[in-house]
Amino acid sequence: RKEVEQDPGPFNVPEGATVAFNCTYSNSASQSFFWYRQDCRKEPKLLMSVYSSGNEDGRFTAQLNRASQYISLLIRDSKLSDSATYLCVVNIGYSTLTFGKGTMLLVSP
Amino acid sequence: DVKVTQSSRYLVKRTGEKVFLECVQDMDHENMFWYRQDPGLGLRLIYFSYDVKMKEKGDIPEGYSVSREKKERFSLILESASTNQTSMYLCASSFRWLNQPQHFGDGTRLSIL
Repeated sequence: RKEVEQDPGPFNVPEGATVAFNCTYSNSASQSFFWYRQDCRKEPKLLMSVYSSGNEDGRFTAQLNRASQYISLLIRDSKLSDSATYLCVVNIGYSTLTFGKGTMLLVSP
Repeated sequence: DVKVTQSSRYLVKRTGEKVFLECVQDMDHENMFWYRQDPGLGLRLIYFSYDVKMKEKGDIPEGYSVSREKKERFSLILESASTNQTSMYLCASSFRWLNQPQHFGDGTRLSIL
């Protein structure tokens, strides 16, 4: 099983739609979870951390399901500017983070 | 705001050259990392450092070395560049504690001819 697995997409959605991505991870002892956003030919940027109880930041909601070992990202009221690749990030070892390969989102007018 | 600065955005070198990529962070982070990113392969960890003069191999250290003489600076060295090292190189830094995210520099697009 891959350490951090994401559907590569692309997810094509119209403006205003709600879209959700899931990410599964292999290590049941993982403690740190993040979502990053990466625009084409740019560096990854932290979107949000994922907390055990779930958390929200504006239009973005992140959830953690430890029992099934996945995290999710929900984007409401999609904007054109949300078009990007979303990277799921989990600590597999103690000192390092493992990045998924990303899910591409394309929001169209 | 965290600032991670990489010395070059674009770099073109020749096969066999020794190549230095520099990274500086201004947030007093203990941890620093070097990744490469290739289409379809995602981010792969080359080396990381959790303190001055300390280094640990990541997933793909072959053909690379690193140097951390000062806390704020982490250098990646390609000892003898080869064409398969053409890639986007990303430096990141973070605090030492487990639940801290990493912050990335702008990246260096390195082409080896």
